[in-house]
Amino acid sequence: AQTVTQSQPEMSVQEAETVTLSCTYDTSESDYYLFWYKQPPSRQMILVIRQEAYKQQNATENRFSVNFQKAAKSFSLKISDSQLGDAAMYFCAYRSTNFGNEKLTFGTGTRLTIIP
Amino acid sequence: ETGVTQTPRHLVMGMTNKKSLKCEQHLGHNAMYWYKQSAKKPLELMFVYSLEERVENNSVPSRFSPECPNSSHLFLHLHTLQPEDSALYLCASSQDRALAKNIQYFGAGTRLSVL
Repeated sequence: AQTVTQSQPEMSVQEAETVTLSCTYDTSESDYYLFWYKQPPSRQMILVIRQEAYKQQNATENRFSVNFQKAAKSFSLKISDSQLGDAAMYFCAYRSTNFGNEKLTFGTGTRLTIIP
Repeated sequence: ETGVTQTPRHLVMGMTNKKSLKCEQHLGHNAMYWYKQSAKKPLELMFVYSLEERVENNSVPSRFSPECPNSSHLFLHLHTLQPEDSALYLCASSQDRALAKNIQYFGAGTRLSVL
């Protein structure tokens, strides 16, 4: 079974600075998807970024980028130019491509605080 | 707004009550999910529906009973719950359940407190 570990329960960053949230996972599969979701105080989980394991190029979405290290099974999220609206819980998630094993496996999350 | 709406936002119930959680998606998706989110624990998948058919039940106690009358609506019927069932219950939908790249869109959840 796959597991996802987020070792930083809480992080804080000064507004306009850069912060990196870490995520590691364990799997024996070669193809899969990794996701970062954001859950603000409104509780609605929103997708931040998605990465396919077969793509070597790191995904980017505006101020959000990932550092995907497949051999190390690491999938960190970098937030540049942090804004107050980035304050939220961030969850890393894994999804197998095998049919019949479609559930999203989540980590325990990292609470990000933005300091004005 | 993700196109997935959950009601009610908050629910307090006694252990002998019967209540239902409702989820509606306006995205034309074919798969819907119930998750349980407890403090300091990863989200737990409870049920998966694909084209209104239940395809996965992750060993959830029978006091939780899902219903999917059509592809846009999903219910979670609750009865004789325990205090440890207090949690945030999240509904999600995706285009279909098969493609791994499909994004799951989440509702804002129902915060359930069992007294």
